[in-house]
Amino acid sequence: EADIYQTPRYLVIGTGKKITLECSQTMGHDKMYWYQQDPGMELHLIHYSYGVNSTEKGDLSSESTVSRIRTEHFPLTLESARPSHTSQYLCASSPNGGTGGEKLFFGSGTQLSVL
Amino acid sequence: GDSVTQMEGPVTLSEEAFLTINCTYTATGYPSLFWYVQYPGEGLQLLLKATKADDKGSNKGFEATYRKETTSFHLEKGSVQVSDSAVYFCALRGTGTASKLTFGTGTRLQVTL
Repeated sequence: EADIYQTPRYLVIGTGKKITLECSQTMGHDKMYWYQQDPGMELHLIHYSYGVNSTEKGDLSSESTVSRIRTEHFPLTLESARPSHTSQYLCASSPNGGTGGEKLFFGSGTQLSVL
Repeated sequence: GDSVTQMEGPVTLSEEAFLTINCTYTATGYPSLFWYVQYPGEGLQLLLKATKADDKGSNKGFEATYRKETTSFHLEKGSVQVSDSAVYFCALRGTGTASKLTFGTGTRLQVTL
């Protein structure tokens, strides 16, 4: 059912490298989100966007940055990866408008390991 | 701020056993409540939801009732199957918090034959 895609699925990279995690959705959703999921499974919102050229930081401070130049695309970038960035990153989107009961559609996630 | 507390796992049950995963919340106003499920190797997907007090969400044999008096949204299933093995997340979207979802810590369920 979900039309939201994340790439790569797995990424192993050395310290200091710049990386971009891709997220795209084909549902025309204005709202998109990035969650970080730690090994204990807890989900933390790190970035969100309510539309093109709109980005906000989430509840958990993150050294990553995001951009929203196109509605369907919400990439996340780490300028210099560190081992502390090792985590599962989940992208999500939700329909426009609504009264609060709208569900989030999640991608399959990117498992990032920084050596 | 908004918060969700759910029972810690892992929960291990035999097939056909009764399941309860507790979830309580703290929020102002009248939040919408959700249960999401994450199967191994996959992203989260919505299992069920309730948007006002006394509503019951249900899907795939799972149920949860929005109890404002106890600020709870416990997940139940009468007879679990091996295929229900997954991580279950309780979540809320508070009023006045735009579209942000606040998740609980997740509860891993393992169902054995």
